[in-house]
Amino acid sequence: GQNIDQPTEMTATEGAIVQINCTYQTSGFNGLFWYQQHAGEAPTFLSYNVLDGLEEKGRFSSFLSRSKGYSYLLLKELQMKDSASYLCAPHTGFQKLVFGTGTRLLVSP
Amino acid sequence: DAGITQSPRHKVTETGTPVTLRCHQTENHRYMYWYRQDPGHGLRLIHYSYGVKDTDKGEVSDGYSVSRSKTEDFLLTLESATSSQTSVYFCAISESPGGDGNQPQHFGDGTRLSIL
Repeated sequence: GQNIDQPTEMTATEGAIVQINCTYQTSGFNGLFWYQQHAGEAPTFLSYNVLDGLEEKGRFSSFLSRSKGYSYLLLKELQMKDSASYLCAPHTGFQKLVFGTGTRLLVSP
Repeated sequence: DAGITQSPRHKVTETGTPVTLRCHQTENHRYMYWYRQDPGHGLRLIHYSYGVKDTDKGEVSDGYSVSRSKTEDFLLTLESATSSQTSVYFCAISESPGGDGNQPQHFGDGTRLSIL
């Protein structure tokens, strides 16, 4: 079976740092994707981790621990436009992703 | 932005009618996918295609069929729509797997389908 756990909602203040956690148990694992989805829009690709450790991409970083079934997305210098849902998606097989229900992040002034 | 067009963008129809959603890409990517997104469930894979005329079932394929006669087009058909198929449907595309075994999927803008 597939189980992906993310917090439902988080709030943070503009300029702050926020960490969105994701734990997963999947049958098969090749790597993990993070997507951003603004309300009413399509998901957009943020990051991909295949090896353990931290991947940094500007204000966004993503971390993976394969042995612990754990990942997090770190957002720095938060901006109002970062208010969105963030989707954790383990890659479980050939071109197959399993999506979590997402974490809705609300950034306030 | 990836060249993905979904049509129609919105549709309202009645239970029991057939419905076809179209996904068109201009990227010449090999892989195409259909997902549905419902509150509390996240994105769930319906069907996917790994080449012309090559398709396979996803997690929630019952009540849906697909066809891919050309690289650029992937059609999703609800043979006899039911109210439980009311959802937002997303098409996605990806290139063939790279050296690390995977490529990101890029999504279309979605189709909001309501079945009354």
